[in-house]
Amino acid sequence: KNEVEQSPQNLTAQEGEFITINCSYSVGISALHWLQQHPGGGIVSLFMLSSGKKKHGRLIATINIQEKHSSLHITASHPRDSAVYICAVIGGSQGNLIFGKGTKLSVKP
Amino acid sequence: DAGVTQSPTHLIKTRGQQVTLRCSPKSGHDTVSWYQQALGQGPQFIFQYYEEEERQRGNFPDRFSGHQFPNYSSELNVNALLLGDSALYLCASSLTDLSYNEQFFGPGTRLTVL
Repeated sequence: KNEVEQSPQNLTAQEGEFITINCSYSVGISALHWLQQHPGGGIVSLFMLSSGKKKHGRLIATINIQEKHSSLHITASHPRDSAVYICAVIGGSQGNLIFGKGTKLSVKP
Repeated sequence: DAGVTQSPTHLIKTRGQQVTLRCSPKSGHDTVSWYQQALGQGPQFIFQYYEEEERQRGNFPDRFSGHQFPNYSSELNVNALLLGDSALYLCASSLTDLSYNEQFFGPGTRLTVL
């Protein structure tokens, strides 16, 4: 079993839909990243959070430390949101990232 | 601020050869981590360098080695390349804080081993 599990693996949505991507982890963490990876490989950090909720534009990330679960929400989705969204936790004492396999999101116009 | 840069962007090698990948961290960052991302998979941690030393290592064989220079830039070396080493190699930099270090990623180097 992977230490970081994401669901769904693939997600297709219509423009304007509300999207939720889930992440569960089984290790102790100090923080959790949500990352976005476009075709071609570049990774952008969307959020880093260790408790509660963060919002940036149409993106919202929440984390429940007790339940070891985090969600990434996208409101009013747009085709330019199409990308792979990766959950990664900062585990261990020296802060290396442990990644989920990613959720491939495709938003259709 | 140039952010994290990596070179080269693409590389093709044959089995048995050796390769060196390079990474320059974001300005002000002192820690560099390297990741391997196979096609369709999430990145896997290779190792992390801080103060010119390997601070932590993932589950990768000794064929994978690295170096950090006094200016915090870093190299990843892979010897005796195997077909399975074909992947996107990502470098990330951060400012050392053992509990809360946000990492910034470079664009990656796509390595193809034939």
